[in-house]
Amino acid sequence: DAKTTQPPSMDCAEGRAANLPCNHSTISGNEYVYWYRQIHSQGPQYIIHGLKNNETNEMASLIITEDRKSSTLILPHATLRDTAVYYCIVRGLSGGYNKLIFGAGTRLAVHP
Amino acid sequence: ETGVTQSPTHLIKTRGQQVTLRCSSQSGHNTVSWYQQALGQGPQFIFQYYREEENGRGNFPPRFSGLQFPNYSSELNVNALELDDSALYLCASSLPRSPHPDYGYTFGSGTRLTVV
Repeated sequence: DAKTTQPPSMDCAEGRAANLPCNHSTISGNEYVYWYRQIHSQGPQYIIHGLKNNETNEMASLIITEDRKSSTLILPHATLRDTAVYYCIVRGLSGGYNKLIFGAGTRLAVHP
Repeated sequence: ETGVTQSPTHLIKTRGQQVTLRCSSQSGHNTVSWYQQALGQGPQFIFQYYREEENGRGNFPPRFSGLQFPNYSSELNVNALELDDSALYLCASSLPRSPHPDYGYTFGSGTRLTVV
């Protein structure tokens, strides 16, 4: 599975867009990029995923570069409830089963 | 549609004891994975169960074992507890070969295990 690199922490003002970067330079052609977040004392929550096209849902947008070596998760109007650790994961299928490999993630702090 | 539920939410055990953690998967999901999350770190994959058999394992010793039942619920057992086993233990349910592009893992809120 490809490894991801994320900044350890970021700040964002409430109401502004939060742009969380992720590098995955060793991603292979059939691997998807997934984003999860973990609010304190809860389990990780799925946000969005993509292969090569930009994706948008009710929670966020995902921008993947053309060479697929990096991506950006965008929370268009961050709120205090978006304060969490955000994980960028490149998912692979290994040995007939699947798993998510988490890094340390980015700790996003949204402030008033 | 019910989510993933884990029990208990908190647990304190003594070093050397054994512990059993339980997980009920989301309705319609037949694959269960367990993760260990130490304080300040991302979750680490322990193992996965599908059709009541272990279907993959991470870098954890044999004293970490599990079961999956016909109703797809699951147990994580840890023998001979060590202080470093103190962590949040997360259960996630999914469909086989998920995360498929259209499906994701659904995680429970975890069991906080403290070994003293």
